[in-house]
Amino acid sequence: GQSLEQPSEVTAVEGAIVQINCTYQTSGFYGLSWYQQHDGGAPTFLSYNALDGLEETGRFSSFLSRSDSYGYLLLQELQMKDSASYFCAVNTNAGKSTFGDGTTLTVKP
Amino acid sequence: DTEVTQTPKHLVMGMTNKKSLKCEQHMGHRAMYWYKQKAKKPPELMFVYSYEKLSINESVPSRFSPECPNSSLLNLHLHALQPEDSALYLCASSHTGTGQANYGYTFGSGTRLTVV
Repeated sequence: GQSLEQPSEVTAVEGAIVQINCTYQTSGFYGLSWYQQHDGGAPTFLSYNALDGLEETGRFSSFLSRSDSYGYLLLQELQMKDSASYFCAVNTNAGKSTFGDGTTLTVKP
Repeated sequence: DTEVTQTPKHLVMGMTNKKSLKCEQHMGHRAMYWYKQKAKKPPELMFVYSYEKLSINESVPSRFSPECPNSSLLNLHLHALQPEDSALYLCASSHTGTGQANYGYTFGSGTRLTVV
């Protein structure tokens, strides 16, 4: 089976940097994805790491260490609109993505 | 077109009703998915279609019946549901169902289902 762990809640102020960690245990690992979901909305794909290292997309970056079964999402220059739930998800050779329980990010003024 | 369209957005049905949820994508994606999401919980995989064939059924009760009429359409037929089946049902698509080229899913906005 698969298991993922991420913090349940994170709070930060506008303009700050926040890192959301994700550790996973799975077989047939292909990559780690990150999704954002606002209340009442659908998940939106943010980034995907298949290889070790950092991927940068604007204010968001994602990192993967396959040897440590660990990744993180880094959000810079936080804005109020970044308040949302963030899910990490493992993609496996079984052809599916399994989601972590999600981290609720609250950005305060 | 970079969207996944789901209809209806909201659905209230009785336990004896039969209804269908519909999903459409025109991105050329060859894998399509149904997920179920309860409040404050992560999306839970139900079914995966890869190249229009059912490839994964996550032990979903038979009162949920998926159908993939063609590469752009995915349906979920509902019959004799229980109140505990009330949830947000999300459709998603991706380039392929397997392999490292799976760059992430595009989700529809979901159907909020209430079973009474």
